[in-house]
Amino acid sequence: ILNVEQSPQSLHVQEGDSTNFTCSFPSSNFYALHWYRWETAKSPEALFVMTLNGDEKKKGRISATLNTKEGYSYLYIKGSQPEDSATYLCAFKTSGTYKYIFGTGTRLKVLA
Amino acid sequence: ETGVTQTPRHLVMGMTNKKSLKCEQHLGHNAMYWYKQSAKKPLELMFVYNFKEQTENNSVPSRFSPECPNSSHLFLHLHTLQPEDSALYLCASSLGGQGTEAFFGQGTRLTVV
Repeated sequence: ILNVEQSPQSLHVQEGDSTNFTCSFPSSNFYALHWYRWETAKSPEALFVMTLNGDEKKKGRISATLNTKEGYSYLYIKGSQPEDSATYLCAFKTSGTYKYIFGTGTRLKVLA
Repeated sequence: ETGVTQTPRHLVMGMTNKKSLKCEQHLGHNAMYWYKQSAKKPLELMFVYNFKEQTENNSVPSRFSPECPNSSHLFLHLHTLQPEDSALYLCASSLGGQGTEAFFGQGTRLTVV
């Protein structure tokens, strides 16, 4: 059974704070690691797709890193804003399949 | 707007009813997915289709019956469901390659009474 774990499950931060979340995944048969943002009443939307060990991706104030050898990825948000409030999901993909295996997500609430 | 459309958005059905969920994408994707989101659980993969062929069935009970007539359309036929099947059902599509993400619909909120 493939297990993808995310921590923390939820957190509240003040506007302007920086924060980070962790995604742990199996280190064998790695193919890709995805991060999604899921806002209430909307569809999950992809933030990053990461495929190589040591990958670092950035989009505005949000960035992510990947370590496939030890099986973890970090998502960082710098200077959190209320509009960053959402559930952040990571998804792991193994080679040879079309499956995306999701973690339970980290629910972020940014307080103004 | 992600390019993946699900209907209906909300559905209430009795345990003896038969209903269907519909998903449509015109993104040129070849892979389509059904996921189930229950409270406090991760998105749970149900079925995967690639070029209309089912490639994954994640031990889903037979009261859920998928259908993929072409690469743009995916259905989930529901019959004799249980109250514990109440959940958000999400459809997604992708190109299936290593660097490609999934695009999701907004989901169908299903309540079984």
